[in-house]
Amino acid sequence: RKEVEQDPGPFNVPEGATVAFNCTYSNSASQSFFWYRQDCRKEPKLLMSVYSSGNEDGRFTAQLNRASQYISLLIRDSKLSDSATYLCVVNKGNTGKLIFGQGTTLQVKP
Amino acid sequence: EAGVTQFPSHSVIEKGQTVTLRCDPISGHDNLYWYRRVMGKEIKFLLHFVKESKQDESGMPNNRFLAERTGGTYSTLKVQPAELEDSGVYFCASSQATDQPQHFGDGTRLSIL
Repeated sequence: RKEVEQDPGPFNVPEGATVAFNCTYSNSASQSFFWYRQDCRKEPKLLMSVYSSGNEDGRFTAQLNRASQYISLLIRDSKLSDSATYLCVVNKGNTGKLIFGQGTTLQVKP
Repeated sequence: EAGVTQFPSHSVIEKGQTVTLRCDPISGHDNLYWYRRVMGKEIKFLLHFVKESKQDESGMPNNRFLAERTGGTYSTLKVQPAELEDSGVYFCASSQATDQPQHFGDGTRLSIL
């Protein structure tokens, strides 16, 4: 079983749609959590950190449920520019050793 | 502020040859990390430097891989001799502290023929 699991998709949605991605992690020692975005043949870029209280940045909302070891990302009012692969990332024990999910691909269509 | 830079962006070499990848972290970031993405797989951790010291090298595949960070500034990752399965994208990242988000370089795309 992988330490971080994501539905690879692809998710194909129309512009303006709301889409949600889920991620589960297996190691309860995991301390900090992130969503990264990766465009085709580019480097991962930090989208947002994820906190237990939930956090929002514009159209993006991230949630963490430590009891269920579950992380989510909600994107509202999808834009064409949101098309990318979204990586769920866990910082194991806050050591800096990042564990990546395989990524969820989003394609927003006109 | 300059981001993490990696060189070269692409490298194509033959099996058995040697290749050295370089990473310049963000200035002031003591923590430097190497990761690799092999085709069809998720990005995987290779190792972590704190300044010039190897903090964790548990992800290094085998002894054909050698990473250094002399002086605690830039880092190099040498593969010698390269094998076909070493092909992939090698990313470098840096952070101020281990619990802070990591910033990634553009990566080096390595192809072994």
